Amino acid sequence: RKEVEQDPGPFNVPEGATVAFNCTYSNSASQSFFWYRQDCRKEPKLLMSVYSSGNEDGRFTAQLNRASQYISLLIRDSKLSDSATYLCVVLGGSQGNLIFGKGTKLSVKP
Amino acid sequence: DAGVIQSPRHEVTEMGQEVTLRCKLISGHNSLFWYRQTMMRGLELLIYFNNNVPIDDSGMPEDRFSAKMPNASFSTLKIQPSEPRDSAVYFCASSPTGGAGEAFFGQGTRLTVV
Repeated sequence: RKEVEQDPGPFNVPEGATVAFNCTYSNSASQSFFWYRQDCRKEPKLLMSVYSSGNEDGRFTAQLNRASQYISLLIRDSKLSDSATYLCVVLGGSQGNLIFGKGTKLSVKP
Repeated sequence: DAGVIQSPRHEVTEMGQEVTLRCKLISGHNSLFWYRQTMMRGLELLIYFNNNVPIDDSGMPEDRFSAKMPNASFSTLKIQPSEPRDSAVYFCASSPTGGAGEAFFGQGTRLTVV
């Protein structure tokens, strides 16, 4: 089983839609989780951290389910500018290295 | 601060040649990551340094790859000899808190080995 797994998509949605991505991780000892965003031919950038209690940042909501070892990202009222690849990231074990999923591609259409 | 700076941005080289990729960390950051990204395999961690010391190099593909941190602000990734399958985008990222915080990426080096 890969350390971090995501549905690669693509998710093609109309503007205004709500879209959700899930990610599963294999290391039950993982403590920190993040969502990164990567635009085409650009570097990844932190979108938001994921806290145990769930957290919201504007149209974006991240949730963590430790029992099932999955993380989710919900985007409400999708904008054209949300089109990108969303990477699920887990802080791996005690080494402190960040493990990235392969990403889920989102395309928001007019 | 200019952020993480990588050079060169693009590199085209012939198979068998030595390639050196360079990375300047953000001042004050103490963790350094080298990643490789391809369509097939996504973003793969090659090696991770903390306070100039390699912590995890299990992702380095083979002995042709080597990475160094000669000082706290600079790192190199060397491929010798290069092969066509090494073609990828190589990212360097730094983090201020031993990897527990946000990782800041450079713009990457797009390597093509022909």
